[in-house]
Amino acid sequence: GAVVSQHPSRVICKSGTSVKIECRSLDFQATTMFWYRQFPKQSLMLMATSNEGSKATYEQGVEKDKFLINHASLTLSTLTVTSAHPEDSSFYICSARDGSPPLHFGNGTRLTVT
Amino acid sequence: QKEVEQNSGPLSVPEGAIASLNCTYSDRGSQSFFWYRQYSGKSPELIMFIYSNGDKEDGRFTAQLNKASQYVSLLIRDSQPSDSATYLCAVTGLIFGTGTRLQVFP
Repeated sequence: GAVVSQHPSRVICKSGTSVKIECRSLDFQATTMFWYRQFPKQSLMLMATSNEGSKATYEQGVEKDKFLINHASLTLSTLTVTSAHPEDSSFYICSARDGSPPLHFGNGTRLTVT
Repeated sequence: QKEVEQNSGPLSVPEGAIASLNCTYSDRGSQSFFWYRQYSGKSPELIMFIYSNGDKEDGRFTAQLNKASQYVSLLIRDSQPSDSATYLCAVTGLIFGTGTRLQVFP
């Protein structure tokens, strides 16, 4: 089956620093990847849709300059949380699909900003 | 605003019973519906998807879709303690409900 690898699984950083999260599709080409954020006891919130070779499409309320998304190849998308603050602490999950639903999820990244 | 609604629970059922999870959605044009299971601290994993009205069965799981009433449900037969998790309903695969926490007690 389709496998999506996400790295790192857990990161702790200091306030004001930037953190990069990688999402790779291991055995299929993903022209579209999705980034979600999930706060405790809440649902997944779609942050942005990442398209290979073009700019990401951000959902309303998500700051483009704070959450930088790059989808440089058909198998790799990255999310960079710039100038992270404690309120950015969350569970970030990427997903991809090999042409049609359903989504295949990465294992998520637990970000803690101190 | 496209919405997907679920009862947050917890839904508690005894081992061996049938667990019934429900989901309603607002976008009448939605065509695809998914159920994911999420254990605490983990990513969601796909259980089932359904596109057509009616029932779709896969092992102990049955998904039911009623587009006229705009609801989709998931039945889990012979519930096991290992089924205890949060179940997320997703519409078009991208819009998720808040999830229903299921607890199966021995």
